Amino acid sequence: QSALTQPRSVSGSPGQSVTISCTGTSSDVGGYNYVSWYQQHPGKAPQLMIYDVNKRPSGVPDRFSGSKSGNTASLTISGLQAEDEADYYCCSYAGAYTFAVFGGGTKLTVL
Amino acid sequence: QVQLVQSGTEVKKPGASVKVSCKASGYSFTGHIMYWVRQAPGQGLEWMGWINPSSGATNYARNFQGRVTMTRDTSITTAYMELSNLKSDDTAVYYCARVRLVGGTSGVRYFDFWGQGTLVPVSS
Repeated sequence: QSALTQPRSVSGSPGQSVTISCTGTSSDVGGYNYVSWYQQHPGKAPQLMIYDVNKRPSGVPDRFSGSKSGNTASLTISGLQAEDEADYYCCSYAGAYTFAVFGGGTKLTVL
Repeated sequence: QVQLVQSGTEVKKPGASVKVSCKASGYSFTGHIMYWVRQAPGQGLEWMGWINPSSGATNYARNFQGRVTMTRDTSITTAYMELSNLKSDDTAVYYCARVRLVGGTSGVRYFDFWGQGTLVPVSS
């Protein structure tokens, strides 16, 4: 059982927007602004998409955005494209001794 | 450019050990802590521990303490993860990942680069 809770799956049609939630506690997501999101295509390594809740690394399209409210972080993908179909994982800092906690992952299907 | 290149697939029997390598290039190897993360088939990500390549200091997740050893060879900018007494549920892809730390801690701000992964099937 993962420390952070994500929906098992979400779906959307090309051009639409989808939001993936990541719910933790005040000891992780709610306590720090260090939530990151990773995209993973089948058979590939995870790739950083969002860090520090809402910052995008260079090269990541601005269709990807992140936010946080209380103990829940969210990743929103607007203007869905076929290549966005992948698994998405959230990760949060959880204090100086826990180091990090992951979500269980969400499978995004582009219909 | 930053690259983390891992060793290839290792097929193991229960009770055996496996040692996975992660060759780093394109950045200062001793300037960044390296985490090891594993992913069982169809499952999520689980961090196993980390090593500070500069000092050799390590910290292991509770689930792996006593079975995992992380080391490094700075002369060849390579990190290693050895897992002993393998069980069938250790079947997974093992990743090394460079981390950006939360200031003043060894906690994860984010993982910015990942190795390609090493598959370790464990089966009798």
